[in-house]
Amino acid sequence: QQPVQSPQAVILREGEDAVINCSSSKALYSVHWYRQKHGEAPVFLMILLKGGEQKGHDKISASFNEKKQQSSLYLTASQLSYSGTYFCGTVENAGGTSYGKLTFGQGTILTVHP
Amino acid sequence: GAGVSQSPSNKVTEKGKDVELRCDPISGHTALYWYRQSLGQGLEFLIYFQGNSAPDKSGLPSDRFSAERTGGSVSTLTIQRTQQEDSAVYLCASSLVSGPRSYNEQFFGPGTRLTVL
Repeated sequence: QQPVQSPQAVILREGEDAVINCSSSKALYSVHWYRQKHGEAPVFLMILLKGGEQKGHDKISASFNEKKQQSSLYLTASQLSYSGTYFCGTVENAGGTSYGKLTFGQGTILTVHP
Repeated sequence: GAGVSQSPSNKVTEKGKDVELRCDPISGHTALYWYRQSLGQGLEFLIYFQGNSAPDKSGLPSDRFSAERTGGSVSTLTIQRTQQEDSAVYLCASSLVSGPRSYNEQFFGPGTRLTVL
């Protein structure tokens, strides 16, 4: 079952902030965030592991609430280049061979205007 | 290579034909993944390779879909007797490792746009 993202779409002006949420009904091992521009491949932004470790770009921040199986991506002082579709991908905490399987949310379309 | 490459970039085929899609992962990446993205939709997991074996192929939609990986590098996704609903962008990704306590950061290729007429 895929995670649920909210909101489905966000419109911002340059410099404004946004939060994109990702919620799963499954126990999670990790949450990944990607941004995809139209016609391009998804680009890695951030990964958050169960237990608190995380890795990502300096200008991107995110949180992972392990008890609620929820993650949020924080975009501050948005720039025009932030426009795109943001996907969260989750890896379930099923152990064994499940580490490679990312289940993606339906995406959040972010548009930043000048 | 510098990144994940896929070929062809576009493929138009007739219903009922077989197609092969190729993925060259980043050199040294042991894990390789195939996803499918239909128009305006999210990414759908198809199969995951660790080395040459596929621990998880649960996302393959039917037995018309198969994939293999050789030499721990190149992978081929084959779709037999293509149907119109197979039309989508097929994305390949690779990661350095995949396992407990690994970040499993996945790098995506540009995709192959498959159109079945």
